[in-house]
Amino acid sequence: SQQGEEDPQALSIQEGENATMNCSYKTSINNLQWYRQNSGRGLVHLILIRSNEREKHSGRLRVTLDTSKKSSSLLITASRAADTASYFCATAQTNAGKSTFGDGTTLTVKP
Amino acid sequence: DVKVTQSSRYLVKRTGEKVFLECVQDMDHENMFWYRQDPGLGLRLIYFSYDVKMKEKGDIPEGYSVSREKKERFSLILESASTNQTSMYLCASSLGQVKDTQYFGPGTRLTVL
Repeated sequence: SQQGEEDPQALSIQEGENATMNCSYKTSINNLQWYRQNSGRGLVHLILIRSNEREKHSGRLRVTLDTSKKSSSLLITASRAADTASYFCATAQTNAGKSTFGDGTTLTVKP
Repeated sequence: DVKVTQSSRYLVKRTGEKVFLECVQDMDHENMFWYRQDPGLGLRLIYFSYDVKMKEKGDIPEGYSVSREKKERFSLILESASTNQTSMYLCASSLGQVKDTQYFGPGTRLTVL
């Protein structure tokens, strides 16, 4: 099974609302990353949070990491139609070199 | 900006053909990756390479091979394409450690008939 699993699978909101997506994982990690993918395109890196960090911000993005619960959340504030995309978390496990991607959350922001 | 390019956006091949997917990155990154992406299955790692001529199997290497003769180029080879290899193929690269930020190409949508 996947190391990182996003929740919910799909999310639909109105423009201006906040969107929250969650990622849970099973084993200890070095870092956790969030990526965005527009339909039919490659992934774009959004933010990386290390295991010793609890919160990071980048523009309208806020990421939290709770290693005791093995979970992370991505908050997009004041959403825009252009935020419509799929969002993936990727976890770099402590005992493995590579990162593992989850299945993604599909976000739809209605104008 | 890092640029990762893939040789084709769309590709249609017949069962049994040998297929080459090429990926090039222009930022002198050490590591390169090939993933396939299928609905409901997320991104699955096929192979990755941490140095020239070095390669490691990912989660689903069966039916694929790779080649990295130059640092900037990583090729994915389907020796004998099958219909179950119809998918979106994504290439990525990262600097430094394999677990660092990855930069993705636009993807190649391969259809095997």
